[in-house]
Amino acid sequence: QKEVEQDPGPLSVPEGAIVSLNCTYSNSAFQYFMWYRQYSRKGPELLMYTYSSGNKEDGRFTAQVDKSSKYISLFIRDSQPSDSATYLCGGATNKLIFGTGTLLAVQP
Amino acid sequence: GAVVSQHPSWVICKSGTSVKIECRSLDFQATTMFWYRQFPKKSLMLMATSNEGSKATYEQGVEKDKFLINHASLTLSTLTVTSAHPEDSSFYICSARDPAGVGETQYFGPGTRLLVL
Repeated sequence: QKEVEQDPGPLSVPEGAIVSLNCTYSNSAFQYFMWYRQYSRKGPELLMYTYSSGNKEDGRFTAQVDKSSKYISLFIRDSQPSDSATYLCGGATNKLIFGTGTLLAVQP
Repeated sequence: GAVVSQHPSWVICKSGTSVKIECRSLDFQATTMFWYRQFPKKSLMLMATSNEGSKATYEQGVEKDKFLINHASLTLSTLTVTSAHPEDSSFYICSARDPAGVGETQYFGPGTRLLVL
């Protein structure tokens, strides 16, 4: 079993939609959780990090962690075509373990 | 956020040659850097953890004699792909841990695309 599982998509939504991206993890030792955005042929860009169960909001992005069910989510409100990218979730102990990434396409 | 650069951004080389990729943290000192490899439409695969002033820690299945890592200063780590072969063609990405950041926050470089002919 992979330590971090993520649906690879692709996920296609119309502009303005609310996007929900999800991951599950199996390593109970993970202390931190992160979401990265990666545009094609570019390095990943840190979007959000959290280290406790609950919600964390930053602009149109909300990260949610449920440690009891080992579930990580990223919500994007009012999605824009510029949000089209691959979104990687990750959990960390002394190193960061990524999911496979979900390819998101926001259609204008 | 913190800035990490990589050089070169792409390289084409002949089979059997060695290629060096540089990773620099531009506005912070990074005692720990990481090297990843990414195949098309696949996730990032951690190759090794690079610690300043000590030997790198390689992940299982990664040949340390083929992928030489040197972290000689707090702002520079290098990855040398020795005797490159076509199967080494990939997207190599480094990241650096920001000591001022929370937990394992890592900032990634833009990546280096390697093509071995």
